[in-house]
Amino acid sequence: QQQVKQSPQSLIVQKGGIPIINCAYENTAFDYFPWYQQFPGKGPALLIAIRPDVSEKKEGRFTISFNKSAKQFSLHIMDSQPGDSATYFCAARLTGGGNKLTFGTGTQLKVEL
Amino acid sequence: NAGVTQTPKFQVLKTGQSMTLQCAQDMNHNSMYWYRQDPGMGLRLIYYSASEGTTDKGEVPNGYNVSRLNKREFSLRLESAAPSQTSVYFCASSTIATNEKLFFGSGTQLSVL
Repeated sequence: QQQVKQSPQSLIVQKGGIPIINCAYENTAFDYFPWYQQFPGKGPALLIAIRPDVSEKKEGRFTISFNKSAKQFSLHIMDSQPGDSATYFCAARLTGGGNKLTFGTGTQLKVEL
Repeated sequence: NAGVTQTPKFQVLKTGQSMTLQCAQDMNHNSMYWYRQDPGMGLRLIYYSASEGTTDKGEVPNGYNVSRLNKREFSLRLESAAPSQTSVYFCASSTIATNEKLFFGSGTQLSVL
């Protein structure tokens, strides 16, 4: 049972475009929502994260929008570059669950010139 | 700056064979994790160790065993490999000082024939 649902599975945008990746969850006991970026042949690396008491967080060209009532959050990449081509995973952590993360299924992003 | 080191990087097994995946971190982290990554399924937690001397099951523990040998090392053992265990395996670590951030190794690609 997938507790964090991620879409789309894959995404192609032109350089300078704004890809948006969406995630939805059901369990209201999740208290932390990170996004991880993974390049081919590498392990995932933390990109940006948000807590449910904040509606938006921005770090450089990456922004998380969080809608607590809808139980949805999304990643926006401003002015996307070919170097942003990677697989992106959203994740969620249960309150009191240690640091165990439940990951979404991933979105393969390609940014074309 | 080794971070999280996994060995081997690639392995091919025959059904029924056993093997141990090794993981070591040099960041003095308390918690360590084993995830598997499969196409369309994201990353799923197999086992984790909140601290030296403790281990606990994750989402998909069947067919695996783990050993937290010391603070640095966390190994994953397949006692009788099955084709369903063909996957990419990632080890990760974290600590309170880095709070929620997981540091991943570069993975072990395992094929079971």
